[in-house]
Amino acid sequence: DGGITQSPKYLFRKEGQNVTLSCEQNLNHDAMYWYRQDPGQGLRLIYYSQIVNDFQKGDIAEGYSVSREKKESFPLTVTSAQKNPTAFYLCASSPRGAGASNEQFFGPGTRLTVL
Amino acid sequence: GQQVMQIPQYQHVQEGEDFTTYCNSSTTLSNIQWYKQRPGGHPVFLIQLVKSGEVKKQKRLTFQFGEAKKNSSLHITATQTTDVGTYFCAGQRGAQKLVFGQGTRLTINP
Repeated sequence: DGGITQSPKYLFRKEGQNVTLSCEQNLNHDAMYWYRQDPGQGLRLIYYSQIVNDFQKGDIAEGYSVSREKKESFPLTVTSAQKNPTAFYLCASSPRGAGASNEQFFGPGTRLTVL
Repeated sequence: GQQVMQIPQYQHVQEGEDFTTYCNSSTTLSNIQWYKQRPGGHPVFLIQLVKSGEVKKQKRLTFQFGEAKKNSSLHITATQTTDVGTYFCAGQRGAQKLVFGQGTRLTINP
């Protein structure tokens, strides 16, 4: 059964702690993306990767880091430098690179709450 | 940079009424995509428009891409409770990344 998985669905962390959100896809897609969703602000791009071992900053990369060591996996680390980390985080993938015209497939999301 | 504005932010209708959301870009787009996010869910791709003036239909949903490829609309005829959710447009210019609008949240009174 192909798709994108994100875990966990809900995550609670204390302020000042780093936390890593996982994203795995078995669609054999080249490109993967991380978005942050806040109420009334739509989806904002954090990082994206078009190929293994390569990634680019999106519009709001400060306080976040990523890695792309495997095609299937694109974990996102929310660091203590991120001033307002509480949000809904969505991972997505697409068959070809970010510059190609193709739909994005989204995972179920992780709702992160920093206390 | 490229901006995509979407209006209205919220829309509440009676079941059976029509609904329209509008998307405007500050720059000419190569394509525009539409996504639907159900409450508590994740965005799901609906359609992509590529050609100037293109109109596509999916049952009660009609999607349009403006002649100048800077605006788009999604119209739902005779809304049903299953149409509840947030509708996002997302525009792309050339080889640049997709830029999402803020979304229109649709609620329906049965």
